Amino acid sequence: AQKVTQAQTEISVVEKEDVTLDCVYETRDTTYYLFWYKQPPSGELVFLIRRNSFDEQNEISGRYSWNFQKSTSSFNFTITASQVVDSAVYFCALSDYQAGTALIFGKGTTLSVSS
Amino acid sequence: DTEVTQTPKHLVMGMTNKKSLKCEQHMGHRAMYWYKQKAKKPPELMFVYSYEKLSINESVPSRFSPECPNSSLLNLHLHALQPEDSALYLCASSQTEGTGRAGELFFGEGSRLTVL
Repeated sequence: AQKVTQAQTEISVVEKEDVTLDCVYETRDTTYYLFWYKQPPSGELVFLIRRNSFDEQNEISGRYSWNFQKSTSSFNFTITASQVVDSAVYFCALSDYQAGTALIFGKGTTLSVSS
Repeated sequence: DTEVTQTPKHLVMGMTNKKSLKCEQHMGHRAMYWYKQKAKKPPELMFVYSYEKLSINESVPSRFSPECPNSSLLNLHLHALQPEDSALYLCASSQTEGTGRAGELFFGEGSRLTVL
């Protein structure tokens, strides 16, 4: 069965701190996709990144970086030098391509960045 | 600005009312989705339309009735709802259903529904 676990319910940091959001997933398939979405207070879900199961390269995009480790079934997300605008709920999600199911979301991590 | 537009942003309705939520995208996407999100919970898939045909219905009660009049529009008709149906309803689109699974979904800002 597919499952995504975000063990951190809420994280509070002060601006300019680095913060890592954890994501652990479960799937029986060898082909799958992992995603991170951001949901600011305005409500919409904003796509941040997609990673397929065959690509374990870490990725950096500005202040954001992602660490994908198949050995530990983890796909962690780090924000460097956090800013108040980073305050949001962050969801990790899994898509099992072969099973054809929709995104399986984790429960989300609420990040609060104070100035 | 989101490229998926949802109206209304807020809706309050009684249990006997009939109302509709609307979603529009002009990105040429051929798959559109309705998700339901309760407070402090992740989104849950309700329906998927692929090429204007209902592809997935995640056992949603019949008081929710989706409609896809054309490739750009997706409606969700509401009738005889219960207070527990109060939630944020998110619309999303993707190039195709396949790329929706393997690619990115574009979400609207949602319609916040309160059922009294």
